[in-house]
Amino acid sequence: GQSLEQPSEVTAVEGAIVQINCTYQTSGFYGLSWYQQHDGGAPTFLSYNGLDGLEETGRFSSFLSRSDSYGYLLLQELQMKDSASYFCAVSRTGTASKLTFGTGTRLQVML
Amino acid sequence: GAVVSQHPSRVICKSGTSVKIECRSLDFQATTMFWYRQFPKQSLMLMATSNEGSKATYEQGVEKDKFLINHASLTLSTLTVTSAHPEDSSFYICSATRDRGQYTEAFFGQGTRLTVV
Repeated sequence: GQSLEQPSEVTAVEGAIVQINCTYQTSGFYGLSWYQQHDGGAPTFLSYNGLDGLEETGRFSSFLSRSDSYGYLLLQELQMKDSASYFCAVSRTGTASKLTFGTGTRLQVML
Repeated sequence: GAVVSQHPSRVICKSGTSVKIECRSLDFQATTMFWYRQFPKQSLMLMATSNEGSKATYEQGVEKDKFLINHASLTLSTLTVTSAHPEDSSFYICSATRDRGQYTEAFFGQGTRLTVV
């Protein structure tokens, strides 16, 4: 089977940096994606890692270590609007378009 | 970015009735779409893969006779919740994926909040 674990909640202040971790167990791992979802809204794509290392996209960066089955999403210069749920998702070889989502991390940004 | 439209956004129905939810990819053709279910403050659980022109592939534990999926065209997939019961009340979200070369990006509909009374 597959499993993806994330911390359930993270709280940080505006302007800070926060890291959301994701550990996964799956066969045929292909890549790790990150999605943001505001309450009542649709998930939106943030970042993708297919290879080890860091991918940077503006204030958001994502890291992957395939050997450790681990990745993280790094959010810098936090803003109030970043308060949302964040999900990691794995895709597997042969079914790269099919995503299995992690447990989700609810980020609360405070003043 | 690509747009996926889902309709309706909210629906309330009586127990025992059926509800149809539509998912459209507005600016690209999607041979495959996915249907998810999400309970409050929980993750997205994949229900089924909708394949254009063929039968849907259901995840383990999902009743295919209860959640009917039709993908008759490259831009439209529908999910029908048949004989709905209060325990079917949930947030249902569809997605269509687009190949970005090195990775596949999923675009999600706005979701449908179903309440069965």
